[in-house]
Amino acid sequence: DQQVKQNSPSLSVQEGRISILNCDYTNSMFDYFLWYKKYPAEGPTFLISISSIKDKNEDGRFTVFLNKSAKHLSLHIVPSQPGDSAVYFCAASPPGGSQGNLIFGKGTKLSVKP
Amino acid sequence: NAGVMQNPRHLVRRRGQEARLRCSPMKGHSHVYWYRQLPEEGLKFMVYLQKENIIDESGMPKERFSAEFPKEGPSILRIQQVVRGDSAAYFCASSTRTGGYEQYFGPGTRLTVT
Repeated sequence: DQQVKQNSPSLSVQEGRISILNCDYTNSMFDYFLWYKKYPAEGPTFLISISSIKDKNEDGRFTVFLNKSAKHLSLHIVPSQPGDSAVYFCAASPPGGSQGNLIFGKGTKLSVKP
Repeated sequence: NAGVMQNPRHLVRRRGQEARLRCSPMKGHSHVYWYRQLPEEGLKFMVYLQKENIIDESGMPKERFSAEFPKEGPSILRIQQVVRGDSAAYFCASSTRTGGYEQYFGPGTRLTVT
């Protein structure tokens, strides 16, 4: 029973265009969400996060949007660059945060074509 | 600016042997988390430790797996009597505070059981 779902295994976009990666979750009590980027044979790299009390967080080319009523979040990358090609994981923090664990989706592989 | 360090990066074990995976958290981080990633899957939480304490081991298999984070030295994930199904990438992460907030990952140890 997946609590965090990334329904698109892959996404291909042209360099300079917008990349939109989507993530759905089932537990309305999740209070913090994170996006990680992962290159092959490396560990995940933290990208951006958002608290459940906000609906948007922006950091340079990366913006995360949270729609609590739909239990949906998305990561926008504008403009996309070839170096953004990687697997992107959405993760959620259980309520209260005291458990310490993050719950990850299965990832979306982004390919940015020059 | 040392990040999370893991060793070895690659580990090959025969069925029935023991595997020991080491993790040194980022400087100043006292919270350590272990995750496992099977092929084509997201990361799955295994255990959360602070110095000399296991805080949450709800993701650890009941048998053959153990973890520790001693007062001195790295955190160790130990797998006894390995089986082929243990073949996976094992990632360690660390953070400065409790909860599922930003966690910083190491490069992972790829365990292959032959």
